[in-house]
Amino acid sequence: DAKTTQPPSMDCAEGRAANLPCNHSTISGNEYVYWYRQIHSQGPQYIIHGLKNNETNEMASLIITEDRKSSTLILPHATLRDTAVYYCIESAGGTSYGKLTFGQGTILTVHP
Amino acid sequence: SAVISQKPSRDICQRGTSLTIQCQVDSQVTMMFWYRQQPGQSLTLIATANQGSEATYESGFVIDKFPISRPNLTFSTLTVSNMSPEDSSIYLCSVEALGRGAKNIQYFGAGTRLSVL
Repeated sequence: DAKTTQPPSMDCAEGRAANLPCNHSTISGNEYVYWYRQIHSQGPQYIIHGLKNNETNEMASLIITEDRKSSTLILPHATLRDTAVYYCIESAGGTSYGKLTFGQGTILTVHP
Repeated sequence: SAVISQKPSRDICQRGTSLTIQCQVDSQVTMMFWYRQQPGQSLTLIATANQGSEATYESGFVIDKFPISRPNLTFSTLTVSNMSPEDSSIYLCSVEALGRGAKNIQYFGAGTRLSVL
């Protein structure tokens, strides 16, 4: 079973920041937080991951709390194409992190 | 990164038949994975397929139902055997490959949408 908890759905206005929360209160010291998204009828797409420091790339920012029990994925300027299911996943890091255990994710709907 | 091609993209099959799904990746990878996504559900790992060894199946999945081949570092197949309507799902292949910052990222194919009548 997935070890993360996410709200089932969220709405966001186009052009605004989308902030997607995730709780991972049982995360282990060697586990990273990964974010993927799945746009309708496509395979999951990697977004970002982090261990304890905040991370930013061209797609999003990841803010991890100091105790690592929760994190927030931030899409700074959401567009209609960002409408998707967003998955927050814990997985061991290192040279290979192996299988991913997907939960139900958050359905993000970006509206005009 | 890695680019994954899955074939077929979709199929409609009769119950009792078998379908083999192909997964081709554009670079050599050690770890390949097969997932199932039932209608309206999240993804569930079926098995891990490493080249040179037998596939490792997750609880609830067996080799007789889902035989997997991994003949080389760029290719794998998943067969769905003796199909029933309950096997109607999207089947996805994924691979682990180096991404930005020399960190391993898991990349997914577009999936095979299977309907069993």
